[in-house]
Amino acid sequence: NAGVTQTPKFQVLKTGQSMTLQCAQDMNHEYMSWYRQDPGMGLRLIHYSVGAGITDQGEVPNGYNVSRSTTEDFPLRLLSAAPSQTSVYFCASSYVASLSYEQYFGPGTRLTVT
Amino acid sequence: ILNVEQSPQSLHVQEGDSTNFTCSFPSSNFYALHWYRWETAKSPEALFVMTLNGDEKKKGRISATLNTKEGYSYLYIKGSQPEDSATYLCALNTGNQFYFGTGTSLTVIP
Repeated sequence: NAGVTQTPKFQVLKTGQSMTLQCAQDMNHEYMSWYRQDPGMGLRLIHYSVGAGITDQGEVPNGYNVSRSTTEDFPLRLLSAAPSQTSVYFCASSYVASLSYEQYFGPGTRLTVT
Repeated sequence: ILNVEQSPQSLHVQEGDSTNFTCSFPSSNFYALHWYRWETAKSPEALFVMTLNGDEKKKGRISATLNTKEGYSYLYIKGSQPEDSATYLCALNTGNQFYFGTGTSLTVIP
């Protein structure tokens, strides 16, 4: 199993550009989520999904869109990048979160918006 | 937004010392409490998932306890080794959402 994979590892965008961060898992996990990591702050939940076709907002959803058309993939879209979105982004997956299964994290994507 | 606090923020111990850190969380929103270990340049790895008041979990030299009534969890490391150097994160699971603390950075000095 590859586990949770994320692409790209690094990305530089100009303000106003759009892009999609990719996340995929091969463990048949129902629950997938996106976090951002900023200095001095804990991981903050952006969006999450409890299964294909179901998504919901986390703590900091503004400026981001997600979709979940398959169990395996959970892309994160930045529609119009802003410098405030400079961060490290982590995708994670688990079996159904309400059953308290542990999350598996991807390697992260470091995004810089200039 | 729920506030999950970890203390201390950082810790330096000598090899062989035992140490412990604290995670505090609002007990009214509790579903589960997760501990993760996060090494530099890697991604967080799960250590424990704790759900019941009074839970105690152990993995090798690392153990954790949970008090859901007063809203705290302790992580203990016995006989610290240099390879234990990492940031230890706790996260409150309220059902479908996770709220992370800022972590305790542990450095074990050989």
